[in-house]
Amino acid sequence: DAGVIQSPRHEVTEMGQEVTLRCKPISGHNSLFWYRQTMMRGLELLIYFNNNVPIDDSGMPEDRFSAKMPNASFSTLKIQPSEPRDSAVYFCASSGGRDSYNEQFFGPGTRLTVL
Amino acid sequence: SQQGEEDPQALSIQEGENATMNCSYKTSINNLQWYRQNSGRGLVHLILIRSNEREKHSGRLRVTLDTSKKSSSLLITASRAADTASYFCATDPSGTASKLTFGTGTRLQVTL
Repeated sequence: DAGVIQSPRHEVTEMGQEVTLRCKPISGHNSLFWYRQTMMRGLELLIYFNNNVPIDDSGMPEDRFSAKMPNASFSTLKIQPSEPRDSAVYFCASSGGRDSYNEQFFGPGTRLTVL
Repeated sequence: SQQGEEDPQALSIQEGENATMNCSYKTSINNLQWYRQNSGRGLVHLILIRSNEREKHSGRLRVTLDTSKKSSSLLITASRAADTASYFCATDPSGTASKLTFGTGTRLQVTL
């Protein structure tokens, strides 16, 4: 298995632009998580899905952020409009496979820079 | 908010020495997990200890858990330069990894 796949790996955009981050979880996992990591705030859970349904989005900063999971193999995190304070590394993680019920598997992250 | 607080924030040791990192948390847990993050990479699961366990070993890793003090420690024995990374504890209240809360992390530097 290729693990959790995220794209793009790096994104540089200007303030006000729409940004879409993509994630492919590990096949067979039924939970998917979006995190944001910054030096100031550490690793923050933004939202998580179970069986493609959003369960907890209390960590989503504001209405500019939205996430979808149209099927078991794909999720997006969208920021519209983006702001410089959104600059961070965004991680996607998945869990719930038969052999990995208790741990989360992280993707390599997307480093977002908003100018 | 970050439930786990790790101590120290940064640790620098020489290869061959042991490294000990501590984690404190606030609410009840089903299990506590430790993850490693190499620079520029995602987190990787290292070891899990359940609330009814006090100590667990995996290779050069030793984890302890004291639920009465709401604290855990991660010991890496005979450290290597490749152990250089940030280490995070994560608490799992439900046992399903559905909502892990990560600590602030300890940055470990192992020098030759």
